[in-house]
Amino acid sequence: QVQLVQSGAEVKKPGASVKVSCKASGYNFISYGFSWVRQAPGQGLEWMGWISAYNGNTKYAQKLQGRVTMTTDTSTSTAYMELRSLRSDDTAVYYCARDPGAVADTKFFDYWGQGTLVTVSS
Amino acid sequence: EIVLTQSPATLSVSPGERATLSCRASQIVSSNLAWYQQKPGQAPRLLIYGASTRATGIPARFSGSGSGTEFTLTISSLQSEDFAVYYCQQYNNWPPSTFGQGTRLEI
Repeated sequence: QVQLVQSGAEVKKPGASVKVSCKASGYNFISYGFSWVRQAPGQGLEWMGWISAYNGNTKYAQKLQGRVTMTTDTSTSTAYMELRSLRSDDTAVYYCARDPGAVADTKFFDYWGQGTLVTVSS
Repeated sequence: EIVLTQSPATLSVSPGERATLSCRASQIVSSNLAWYQQKPGQAPRLLIYGASTRATGIPARFSGSGSGTEFTLTISSLQSEDFAVYYCQQYNNWPPSTFGQGTRLEI
């Protein structure tokens, strides 16, 4: 069965960086992409970006350009999302999600990780 | 950026009744629209993609319709486990892919 298991909660100070991992199992890793979606406390869903596990192509939300980097490691079937220069409004639950957009584009998200709470506070 | 507007913000329905949720796009998104269900403390779950295709394991009481800019999620006979927040998402024009603000379905 498809599983996405994310790394644990993080507490960071403003200006720091965080890197969240998402280990996939139960399917052919390079046949799909990943999207990352975040949800601030009590708020809706925000798409952050997409990465192809096949060729590493990425697309990011413009508001995060320059602060976010998404990568994958095919040897461990793990996706990563790094967010730098953290601010208090980056406090959110961060989700990885499997994306059938394998090569060139994002689509919908058919399996989700359990979420990782990132708290940014001085 | 395409804006998705969901209505109503909150829908109060009794178990066994039908619920109709709407999602309107600010530009044409063809049929590239998905619906998700989210319960408190849980990750979202994919219900519908391609505007009308049920995802794996989703009960037949969930159906999606529409194309272009107007979309509807219908739950034909509400069960207790269906009370949750529902989001639509477009993946036609991106980046960014965008979500609606959500509809809370309550008893």
